[in-house]
Amino acid sequence: QQQVKQSPQSLIVQKGGISIINCAYENTAFDYFPWYQQFPGKGPALLIAIRPDVSEKKEGRFTISFNKSAKQFSLHIMDSQPGDSATYFCAASMRGYQKVTFGTGTKLQVIP
Amino acid sequence: GAGVSQSPSNKVTEKGKDVELRCDPISGHTALYWYRQSLGQGLEFLIYFQGNSAPDKSGLPSDRFSAERTGGSVSTLTIQRTQQEDSAVYLCASSPGLALYEQYFGPGTRLTVT
Repeated sequence: QQQVKQSPQSLIVQKGGISIINCAYENTAFDYFPWYQQFPGKGPALLIAIRPDVSEKKEGRFTISFNKSAKQFSLHIMDSQPGDSATYFCAASMRGYQKVTFGTGTKLQVIP
Repeated sequence: GAGVSQSPSNKVTEKGKDVELRCDPISGHTALYWYRQSLGQGLEFLIYFQGNSAPDKSGLPSDRFSAERTGGSVSTLTIQRTQQEDSAVYLCASSPGLALYEQYFGPGTRLTVT
């Protein structure tokens, strides 16, 4: 019940296209959903995060869409650029429970 | 200010040897996490500290793994009698407090057991 399922495992998108990564969870007690971006040889870094009281959050070219009833959330990268090529992890956590549960990651490659 | 630092950045050791991996969190961050990331894989939670105590040790793969944190700051992850399957990148992260805060990750220690 603590799992966060992430798909796809890998994704190839052309420059200028839209990259979409999906995550699903079971535990309705989760109340914080961050996305992390990891470049090769680096640690993950927070990209954007959402709480379940909103259905969408946008920061620049990155948007999180959140569907509370379906227990799903997704990351959309608009106008994808080669510099966006990285591994993306969704995650979930809940108040009073210190551990953050990470998805399995999506390796994104944006080709020119 | 300085981010999370980890040392060494790379460690090659022989099977059966003990290794110590160090994490210096961001000053003032009370929570500290250790994760393991095998090649091309996700983040495997190992252990979490709140202050100097570790309420959740459930992620440690075996009793060869241990961790401590002193002074609410530096943490050391120790692997005894290393095995080849221990080869991975070990990541440390710190956060200001509860899990609802952003985790700041260090660059990791790449451990290779030969």
